[in-house]
Amino acid sequence: QKEVEQDPGPLSVPEGAIVSLNCTYSNSAFQYFMWYRQYSRKGPELLMYTYSSGNKEDGRFTAQVDKSSKYISLFIRDSQPSDSATYLCAMSGKDSGYSTLTFGKGTMLLVSP
Amino acid sequence: GAGVSQSPSNKVTEKGKDVELRCDPISGHTALYWYRQSLGQGLEFLIYFQGNSAPDKSGLPSDRFSAERTGGSVSTLTIQRTQQEDSAVYLCASSLVRGGSTNEKLFFGSGTQLSVL
Repeated sequence: QKEVEQDPGPLSVPEGAIVSLNCTYSNSAFQYFMWYRQYSRKGPELLMYTYSSGNKEDGRFTAQVDKSSKYISLFIRDSQPSDSATYLCAMSGKDSGYSTLTFGKGTMLLVSP
Repeated sequence: GAGVSQSPSNKVTEKGKDVELRCDPISGHTALYWYRQSLGQGLEFLIYFQGNSAPDKSGLPSDRFSAERTGGSVSTLTIQRTQQEDSAVYLCASSLVRGGSTNEKLFFGSGTQLSVL
């Protein structure tokens, strides 16, 4: 079992839809959870950053962490064609001294006009 | 520049040749990372530099891979005797790590696409 599992997609939705992206993980030591967005031929850019369990909202984006289920989610409201990208979850914890991130493989999202 | 800069953006080489990939981190960032992204795979950690500390090389896949960071700034990733399985995007990232902080927010460059023929 890989440390972080993420459905590769692609996930295709119409403009305006609510998008749900998810990751599961196996390492209970993970405490910091991130979502990165990666456009084609670009490096990942940080979208959301959450510590431990709970919700965090930033504009159209909401990140949720459920440590008891080892499950994290990213919700995108009112999705736009410009949201079309690959979304990578990432996490870190005490095992690595918090210094290195473990990434999921990424989910490709396609938002059609 | 304002962001992490990597060069070259593309590199095509023949099997068995050595290659060097360069990374210029964001000015003032003390932490520097190299990751590898292969087609259909997630980001694979390679190596981590933090200030003057010994680098964390635990992710390097073989002794053909090495990296240096000179003057706490620019870093070079060297792959010797390249193999076809080394073909991937090599991403560099930097972060500003304050003393005692575990708040690691990475800023990535656009990567070097390495193709080994």
